[in-house]
Amino acid sequence: DQQVKQNSPSLSVQEGRISILNCDYTNSMFDYFLWYKKYPAEGPTFLISISSIKDKNEDGRFTVFLNKSAKHLSLHIVPSQPGDSAVYFCAASAEGTYKYIFGTGTRLKVLA
Amino acid sequence: NAGVTQTPKFRVLKTGQSMTLLCAQDMNHEYMYWYRQDPGMGLRLIHYSVGEGTTAKGEVPDGYNVSRLKKQNFLLGLESAAPSQTSVYFCASSPITPGLAGARFGPGTRLTVL
Repeated sequence: DQQVKQNSPSLSVQEGRISILNCDYTNSMFDYFLWYKKYPAEGPTFLISISSIKDKNEDGRFTVFLNKSAKHLSLHIVPSQPGDSAVYFCAASAEGTYKYIFGTGTRLKVLA
Repeated sequence: NAGVTQTPKFRVLKTGQSMTLLCAQDMNHEYMYWYRQDPGMGLRLIHYSVGEGTTAKGEVPDGYNVSRLKKQNFLLGLESAAPSQTSVYFCASSPITPGLAGARFGPGTRLTVL
């Protein structure tokens, strides 16, 4: 049973426009949600996170939105840059479980 | 400060062979994890450890064993490799309270089982 789902395997966006990556989850016990970025032949790197008590967290060009009632989170990248082209994973964790559950990833391609 | 390192980077095995993947972290993190990444499957948790001397099963533990004899090292073993274990393996570590801080990942080990 996939607890964290990323239903769009790929996304193409023009440079300078907004990129919106989506993630859905089924476990209402999740307390923390994270986004990771992964370049080919490298390990994932932490990008931004949000607690379940918030609905928005912003860090520079990256903003994560959380809609608990819909069990949905999204990552907005504005403006998108060619260097943002990578695979993005969302992940979730429940307090006390000591582990992260990852989605299947979305490959973002930013076109110059 | 090297972060999380993995050895080896690449390996080719024949079915039935055994091997051990080594993960080391120099950040004094309590928690360590082994994930595998397969096309269309994302990152799936194999085993994890919440401290020296402890291990626990993740989502896909079958066919793997782990040990955490030292806080900084987390070993992943394949006793009898199968083609289904062809994958990219990532080790990660996180502070005592993972939460919002996220886990730090290693560069990965690409394993092919023929």
